[in-house]
Amino acid sequence: DAKTTQPNSMESNEEEPVHLPCNHSTISGTDYIHWYRQLPSQGPEYVIHGLTSNVNNRMASLAIAEDRKSSTLILHRATLRDAAVYYCILNFAGSARQLTFGSGTQLTVLP
Amino acid sequence: DTEVTQTPKHLVMGMTNKKSLKCEQHMGHRAMYWYKQKAKKPPELMFVYSYEKLSINESVPSRFSPECPNSSLLNLHLHALQPEDSALYLCASSQSLDGNTEAFFGQGTRLTVV
Repeated sequence: DAKTTQPNSMESNEEEPVHLPCNHSTISGTDYIHWYRQLPSQGPEYVIHGLTSNVNNRMASLAIAEDRKSSTLILHRATLRDAAVYYCILNFAGSARQLTFGSGTQLTVLP
Repeated sequence: DTEVTQTPKHLVMGMTNKKSLKCEQHMGHRAMYWYKQKAKKPPELMFVYSYEKLSINESVPSRFSPECPNSSLLNLHLHALQPEDSALYLCASSQSLDGNTEAFFGQGTRLTVV
């Protein structure tokens, strides 16, 4: 199964953009790239997903490299409520082995 | 209604007890999942159901027994657990297993085995 690699932790200042990287060099052509985040004492929360093209929604943007071997989650203006563990996950299309979490990135937002 | 509801929120059980965790969703999702999460670790996939049939069992010990009685409900039956099974148990659902759908997670059941 394809795996993802993320930095263990990152820091950002409040109201500044945050770029969270993810490497997935063994991704297959049908794997979707998903991002979830988990706030303390809560279940994971969906953030965004994409296949090949960059994606935007109200929470974030997802930039996918042309070769799809890496992606970046962009939070345009970090707030204190964005402090969470962010997980980059490959969702295997058509496979029951879905949503297997890697170690994630702990994002700290500084006031 | 975009909620996945898990009950109970907290559970303390002895090693000889039998208990069940319940998960419910009313979004018409046909895929449902159980995860186990230890402190400071990512969620670990335990079971996946698709159209009420078990699709994945990630080599979970038989003291954990899942059940999907209908498309809205997922149970996890617990029997003869060990203290190391203490963890947050998360349920999730998604429209299907096609990879192009978001998953919704419940808030979890915090289980303590004494």
